Amino acid sequence: EVQLVESGGDLVQPGGSLRLSCVASGFAFSTYAMAWVRQSPEKGLEWVSTIGATSTKTHYADSVEGRFTVSRDNPKNTLFLQMNNLRAEDTALYFCAKYLSVSSGSIFDSWGQGTLVTVSS
Amino acid sequence: IVLTQSPATLSLSPGEKAALSCRASQSVSSQLVWYQQKPGQAPRLLIYDASNRAADIPARFSGSGSGTDFTLTISSLEPEDFAVYYCQQRISWPPTFGGGTKVEIK
Repeated sequence: EVQLVESGGDLVQPGGSLRLSCVASGFAFSTYAMAWVRQSPEKGLEWVSTIGATSTKTHYADSVEGRFTVSRDNPKNTLFLQMNNLRAEDTALYFCAKYLSVSSGSIFDSWGQGTLVTVSS
Repeated sequence: IVLTQSPATLSLSPGEKAALSCRASQSVSSQLVWYQQKPGQAPRLLIYDASNRAADIPARFSGSGSGTDFTLTISSLEPEDFAVYYCQQRISWPPTFGGGTKVEIK
């Protein structure tokens, strides 16, 4: 059974930093692209970032480009999102999500339960 | 690409048929995905590439459409189907989601 467990969400002041983690199990983590997707009442579901299976390719939403960095540690089956210079509009529940297959494009077939990031003074 | 879902809320009784619409601001070919989300849970993949059911998804869920107009149909609503449904396009970066349709019990 695929499991994705996020952690690292917290209350942080504007301009602060957080590092989110997502530990994966139940599948060959090193062979799948992974993504971060966030959800807030204001913006709904919003794709944030994608990283390829071998970390050679990364993509970011314009809203986080230059502030967020996605990475992964395949031997430890862990996905990361380093979030710097946080803004109030980054407040959301952050999900990690697994791609359906190597060649599927952005189809997210498994999701974690999310970790809450709140940016407020 | 902007995805517009309608209606925002659909009030139906168990056993009724539900038809949810997703319209894209430009063609996404057949690269349209549907998810279901229940309160306090993560989204769940239902349909990908417009009409392909994901693993373990009941046959009462079906998807249709291409280009800019898509429909998710639930042939006969079960109690567990009352939830919010989202569409998502994957043809271009960034992948984008619709605003959702809530299917509620009438």
